[in-house]
Amino acid sequence: DIQMTQSPSSLSASVGDRVTITCRASQTINTYLCWYQQKIGKAPKLLIYAASSLQSGVPSRFSGSASGTDFTLTINGLQPEDFATYFCQQSYRTPYTFGQGTKLEI
Amino acid sequence: QVQLQESGPGLVKTSETLSLSCTVSGDTINNFYWSWIRQTPGRGLEWIGHIYYTGSTDYNPSLKSRVTISIDTSKTHFSLKLNSVTAADTAIYYCARDHVGPWGQGALVTVSS
Repeated sequence: DIQMTQSPSSLSASVGDRVTITCRASQTINTYLCWYQQKIGKAPKLLIYAASSLQSGVPSRFSGSASGTDFTLTINGLQPEDFATYFCQQSYRTPYTFGQGTKLEI
Repeated sequence: QVQLQESGPGLVKTSETLSLSCTVSGDTINNFYWSWIRQTPGRGLEWIGHIYYTGSTDYNPSLKSRVTISIDTSKTHFSLKLNSVTAADTAIYYCARDHVGPWGQGALVTVSS
């Protein structure tokens, strides 16, 4: 299975901050990488697909990038509604696998 | 826009079969893969398997011996069956469209004797 190593596991930040979350794949996954946001009691919401494509309706302060097997989610100008848990997922090869999540806290 | 909704029993007895259905509305099932995923506090998110609209399936090897995903002939919903369940199968189960979303809201299934 492809392992997705996500860091950090938790992150404290303030409104207006710029934050980055990273996922590293254990082997090449091309750009088959998605980022999700999950709030307590809710289903994960797709933010970014294909490593850097912004899902329709998602604010432009969210962005994704890729460099080899390293993938980054960046949030520019944190808003109060952005405090949540974020996951990455590879869909290059089955079984699809997820990062362990990053809890973004105030 | 596409919406997915899981449905099925919230309580299943140990050793029996967990059955869930996912209704797809707002678009056709055609031309996409459709997945089942589960989430627990201890194991995080786990991909169970997926089905193509043609009926072709692929399962997580960790669950393959117990899982069946099927699609109905009207192509408006697809289903999950997980047999011989134990307490370790207690989770929130999500259905989702691969690569581009969305996910359903999730269904909590508890396995208990």
